[in-house]
Amino acid sequence: ETAVFQTPNYHVTQVGNEVSFNCKQTLGHDTMYWYKQDSKKLLKIMFSYNNKQLIVNETVPRRFSPQSSDKAHLNLRIKSVEPEDSAVYLCASSLDWGGQDTQYFGPGTRLLVL
Amino acid sequence: GDSVTQKEGLVTLTEGLPVMLNCTYQTIYSNAFLFWYVHYLNESPRLLLKSSTDNKRTEHQGFHATLHKSSSSFHLQKSSAQLSDSALYYCALSDLPGNTGKLIFGLGTTLQVQP
Repeated sequence: ETAVFQTPNYHVTQVGNEVSFNCKQTLGHDTMYWYKQDSKKLLKIMFSYNNKQLIVNETVPRRFSPQSSDKAHLNLRIKSVEPEDSAVYLCASSLDWGGQDTQYFGPGTRLLVL
Repeated sequence: GDSVTQKEGLVTLTEGLPVMLNCTYQTIYSNAFLFWYVHYLNESPRLLLKSSTDNKRTEHQGFHATLHKSSSSFHLQKSSAQLSDSALYYCALSDLPGNTGKLIFGLGTTLQVQP
C-alpha cells in the first residue's frame, strides 16, 4: 500500500516532557512536510524537506525540531512540550517542492499536553 | 504576505441544495496556484481540486471551481449537496511556484449537510 503513515495516532503527556512523532511515505516523493492543526482547525505549515534538505522552516518555537534520515522519513521531535502544543500534527508529502504538486496527508498524530 | 480568506466557518445546508464555499486570496505573485482540500472526519485531508489557469473551470467528484485572478477568488461549488459531502473544506494558496512550495491555508469551512 502506498500512502503516508504516521505514528503514534494519539499521545498524552505532561508539560515539560519530550515527544517524538514519526512519519513515513511510500509514494516515492521527494518532499515532505509537517503541519500543525490547532483546536480551531487552523492548518499551518511548520517545516518542509526536499530529499533530506530543509526547505521551509516557519516561525516555530525552537523546542520543535524535524529529523530526516532519508527522503521517505520525516520525524518531529518536541523538547519540553507546553500546553499550547496540544494539536493534531499532520505529515504530508508531494512529488516535488515546486508548489503545484498535490500534497498527500497522513492521518495525523493528536497530541494532548496536560 | 500571502493570505487566504474563507469567510464562512460553518455552512449548513439541506440535502439537494447547491453548495458554494467562498475563497479569496491575496498574493503579490501573478502565477498563484489555488487548491481545495477536503478533510472528512477520521480521515486524512485530501486534494479535491486545484488550478492556476485564469477563468478556467476545474471539476472533480461533482465539485467545481474557477480561478478568477481579477477578483482573486476560487469559490467551490456543487449543484446539489449530498449527506456525504459533510466535511471540513480548506482553500489553499501555493507560495510562488518554484520557490518554497509551501501551502497557505484558509481557516477552513465546515459544511454540514442535513436530510
